Amino acid sequence: QTVVTQEPSLTVSPGGTVTLTCASSTGAVTSDYYPNWFQQKPGQAPKALIFSTSNKHSWTPARFSGSLLGGKAALTLSDVQPDDGAEYYCLLYYGASRWVFGGGTKVTVL
Amino acid sequence: QVQLVESGGGVVQPGKSLRLSCAASGFTFINYGIYWVRQAPGKGLEWVAVISHDGSEKYYADSVRGRFTVSRDNSRDTVSLQMNSLRTEDTAVYYCANGVGNFQGYKYGMDVWGQGTTVIVSS
Repeated sequence: QTVVTQEPSLTVSPGGTVTLTCASSTGAVTSDYYPNWFQQKPGQAPKALIFSTSNKHSWTPARFSGSLLGGKAALTLSDVQPDDGAEYYCLLYYGASRWVFGGGTKVTVL
Repeated sequence: QVQLVESGGGVVQPGKSLRLSCAASGFTFINYGIYWVRQAPGKGLEWVAVISHDGSEKYYADSVRGRFTVSRDNSRDTVSLQMNSLRTEDTAVYYCANGVGNFQGYKYGMDVWGQGTTVIVSS
């Protein structure tokens, strides 16, 4: 069974920078996994932030960026705002038309 | 603007069926694949199914394959998820989302999400 692993929780100060990662149990994550990142706040639907590793949606704030880092997909939040406190999920494509979400990272801005 | 609206959720007994719908607007529906994703209470997201822009490709998570069927009506800009043999573990909020790229580009991921519809499977 394929497992996608994210940090359960991270804390960051306002104005700071935090990097979330997304690892695959099958090995290194590459651009062929088309990593996606989503933000979800309590009681709301998820909102897409990043697709295909580093591409932003039209509504994605410039302070959010996606990359590959040390064999993992990564989402970096810069100049963190209080409103960035949320759950963040990554999504990887495994070919054979199968998509797997990570377990989510709860980001607390404190 | 792009909008997706799910409907059809409710309370159903184990073993019964339910049909969810996803109504789309604000984009050229026939050009985009549509995903279904669910979220059990207090849990993370789980990909459920996807259908290509023309309905020729349909893929399912192992947990629902053989029980759930995805279909689309491009004349009505709607996608349906027929859920049969429901189990208590299917209890979740079900979201639909459009593919981020047109035609085969749906494989690149998800774009706009609906607000979800709640399915509760309980006796």
